[in-house]
Amino acid sequence: EAQVTQNPRYLITVTGKKLTVTCSQNMNHEYMSWYRQDPGLGLRQIYYSMNVEVTDKGDVPEGYKVSRKEKRNFPLILESPSPNQTSLYFCASSSDRSSYNEQFFGPGTRLTVL
Amino acid sequence: AQSVAQPEDQVNVAEGNPLTVKCTYSVSGNPYLFWYVQYPNRGLQFLLKYITGDNLVKGSYGFEAEFNKSQTSFHLKKPSALVSDSALYFCAVRALSGGSYIPTFGRGTSLIVHP
Repeated sequence: EAQVTQNPRYLITVTGKKLTVTCSQNMNHEYMSWYRQDPGLGLRQIYYSMNVEVTDKGDVPEGYKVSRKEKRNFPLILESPSPNQTSLYFCASSSDRSSYNEQFFGPGTRLTVL
Repeated sequence: AQSVAQPEDQVNVAEGNPLTVKCTYSVSGNPYLFWYVQYPNRGLQFLLKYITGDNLVKGSYGFEAEFNKSQTSFHLKKPSALVSDSALYFCAVRALSGGSYIPTFGRGTSLIVHP
């Protein structure tokens, strides 16, 4: 089954404790991205990657890091989480960098930073 | 900079009635427009898209959307709403911006279909 998976689905942590949210897709997609969803703000893009070893900042990259060492994986790293990073996070992928291809989304990771 | 507006936070409609969820956009150049749906505790799912051609686009679950270039709108419609259509709907645009096709999403519209 074609899908985007994220782990963990739920995470409660404390300020300053480094964490990684994994994202993996099995569709051989080139383009992957991370979003955060906050009430009243919709989805905002954090980082995106056009291909392996190619990443770039989205609208709200502060406090986040990403890497793209393999085509299928695109982990999101919070090196020193803060309470304002409490949010619902989604990973997404699409078949290539073409702007007309729809994105496939993972199930989401709900992060709470205390 | 590109932007997307969904002017209604919530739309209420009775089952069996037609529904419309509004979306307007602002881009430089040709827009590629999308609608996604999010059910509770799920990720977003693609519904339909407009790339070029016929202004009326048909998608999943009986939804359709009409692209109106002069009004810069891409409203989502369905002739007869179902209770199961109740969900959060997002409009999105992708257009060339600073050399990249970064997608921009609206804030979402909660659709509530009453039995």
